[in-house]
Amino acid sequence: GENVEQHPSTLSVQEGDSAVIKCTYSDSASNYFPWYKQELGKGPQLIIDIRSNVGEKKDQRIAVTLNKTAKHFSLHITETQPEDSAVYFCAARGHRGSYIPTFGRGTSLIVHP
Amino acid sequence: DTAVSQTPKYLVTQMGNDKSIKCEQNLGHDTMYWYKQDSKKFLKIMFSYNNKELIINETVPNRFSPKSPDKAHLNLHINSLELGDSAVYFCASSLDAGGSPLHFGNGTRLTVT
Repeated sequence: GENVEQHPSTLSVQEGDSAVIKCTYSDSASNYFPWYKQELGKGPQLIIDIRSNVGEKKDQRIAVTLNKTAKHFSLHITETQPEDSAVYFCAARGHRGSYIPTFGRGTSLIVHP
Repeated sequence: DTAVSQTPKYLVTQMGNDKSIKCEQNLGHDTMYWYKQDSKKFLKIMFSYNNKELIINETVPNRFSPKSPDKAHLNLHINSLELGDSAVYFCASSLDAGGSPLHFGNGTRLTVT
């Protein structure tokens, strides 16, 4: 099955700095890579996703890059704000019967004002 | 207008008891899921239903029994609760079982004493 590794587990930045979270996956057939943000006391929320036919996708201050050859993808947040503080999960959808995504173990991002 | 709602939000109970968690989605989605999030934030799929039919049943003890009376509801019943069942349980839904994005509820924190 699919295996997703996510680093770092904790990331602390100053407001205004950039933050980068990296993930690797094992199943070369995976073709969909979503990122979820989980705020305290809430469920994960999709913030951006990328499909395997695209190398990069941007949405305002967040961007995701995908390197299929190396089997890794990254989340980039620019001009971080305190409200970006949350746990971020990457996921990869491998080839299982019902296409359930496999999640990374999460990155706790702390943005200091 | 909560899209995926689960009740209760908190559940404290003693070992050996039986408890249920309810989930409802008003998004018109065909597929629903139960995830377990442990103390280290790891998200693990437990079950998935598509149009009331069970399609994914991970290696979860038989004490856990999901039930989907219709495609908008997926409940989770747990028998003979154990200390290790303490976790946050998330219900989620997606448009279909083909890998569309997940929409999570805000979780039920289960504490077994």
